[in-house]
Amino acid sequence: DADVTQTPRNRITKTGKRIMLECSQTKGHDRMYWYRQDPGLGLRLIYYSFDVKDINKGEISDGYSVSRQAQAKFSLSLESAIPNQTALYFCATSDHGQHTGELFFGEGSRLTVL
Amino acid sequence: GQNIDQPTEMTATEGAIVQINCTYQTSGFNGLFWYQQHAGEAPTFLSYNVLDGLEEKGRFSSFLSRSKGYSYLLLKELQMKDSASYLCAVMDSNYQLIWGAGTKLIIKP
Repeated sequence: DADVTQTPRNRITKTGKRIMLECSQTKGHDRMYWYRQDPGLGLRLIYYSFDVKDINKGEISDGYSVSRQAQAKFSLSLESAIPNQTALYFCATSDHGQHTGELFFGEGSRLTVL
Repeated sequence: GQNIDQPTEMTATEGAIVQINCTYQTSGFNGLFWYQQHAGEAPTFLSYNVLDGLEEKGRFSSFLSRSKGYSYLLLKELQMKDSASYLCAVMDSNYQLIWGAGTKLIIKP
């Protein structure tokens, strides 16, 4: 089984719908991240959390929200999806200290908003 | 602003050597990372440089020059399975990763 699991892997939805992407991990890491990846662009950070009570906005948080339900679970919500949120979304985890840049990614969730 | 530059695409021949360059301008520096991403898959960690010089790991090596804001990833004895995108990322002074757009490497027989 994968250490970082994302659900759903693929989702097609309509403009205005609420969508939740879920992430769970068995790495035992405190730090969790949500990124989106678009063709021709680098990974862009949406939100990150360094522990259960810690939530931080990333580079592109507008239109998104997150919840850190437990050390192992970090979910991303789109309250009212719009077409330009069509992208590949990755959840990632990392250890702290000098290893904090070594990220472990989930397999990705491909979201299409029509 | 912060910026990571790397070539969009490169082509190389199986068995050969290829060097993928990365230049960066960031607010502070706390390490440079290379990741490999096969099409449709998640990125996976390849290497980490925080001091100047060359780090070797099997067929892959990564070099860093902090004064020049420059790194390269060197892949030797190329195999078809090395066809992938290679992502350069720099950790800035706030310990945030800044990502390049990636270099798509195409290996030809």
